Amino acid sequence: QLQLQESGPGLVEPSETLSLTCSVSGASISSSSDDWGWIRQPPGKGLEWIGDMYSSGNTYYNPSLKSRLTISVDTSKNQFSLKLRSVTAADTAVYYCARRIKTNPLGWFDPWGQGTLVTVSS
Amino acid sequence: DIVMTQSPDSLAVSLGERATINCKSSQSVLYSSNNKNYLAWYQQKPGQPPKLLIYWASTRESGVPDRFSGSGSGTDFTLTISSLRAEDVAVYYCQQYYDSPLTFGGGTKVEIK
Repeated sequence: QLQLQESGPGLVEPSETLSLTCSVSGASISSSSDDWGWIRQPPGKGLEWIGDMYSSGNTYYNPSLKSRLTISVDTSKNQFSLKLRSVTAADTAVYYCARRIKTNPLGWFDPWGQGTLVTVSS
Repeated sequence: DIVMTQSPDSLAVSLGERATINCKSSQSVLYSSNNKNYLAWYQQKPGQPPKLLIYWASTRESGVPDRFSGSGSGTDFTLTISSLRAEDVAVYYCQQYYDSPLTFGGGTKVEIK
């Protein structure tokens, strides 16, 4: 059974870099035909797609975050990661990782990790 | 960007009654090459991640009760809970996967009347 788990600091200071890792179990990222993504949810608000890593190794980012964002993969650890630079209080959110089912060209998210709350504050 | 607009923001329904949630996209999410609507629905209970209910606008995910159904095409979609149960209290989101950036509706909160 495929499972995803986010990990990383729960508190980040303004202007610093938010770094999260998603550990995948039950499937191999490198051999999967699906894609892997990040979504966030500010407290009490809706969902915002952050970006995806395709099985080809290509990455696709939300234009609203693209200038500050890097998504990468470590196939040896079966993990993928998120780095968001120059954070502000507006980046405070629960961050989810998820598998994105590959269709032509995009797809839906299933399953999702449990999520991790990241607060940006000094 | 494709803007997804859900209505209502919240609704209260009696147990056993029907709940209807609407989702409208700012442009069609119907792919002409395969005649499929690139729309999914999720359920999110408090303190939990979203759970996939429906994809291709009307295909129920395995294990999802058949009281949940999706309908619509083009720009207008509906999620229906035919007979509300207490465990269906949640926020429901639609998501388009027709174009990047992927976008979600603002959510509809379903409560018991």
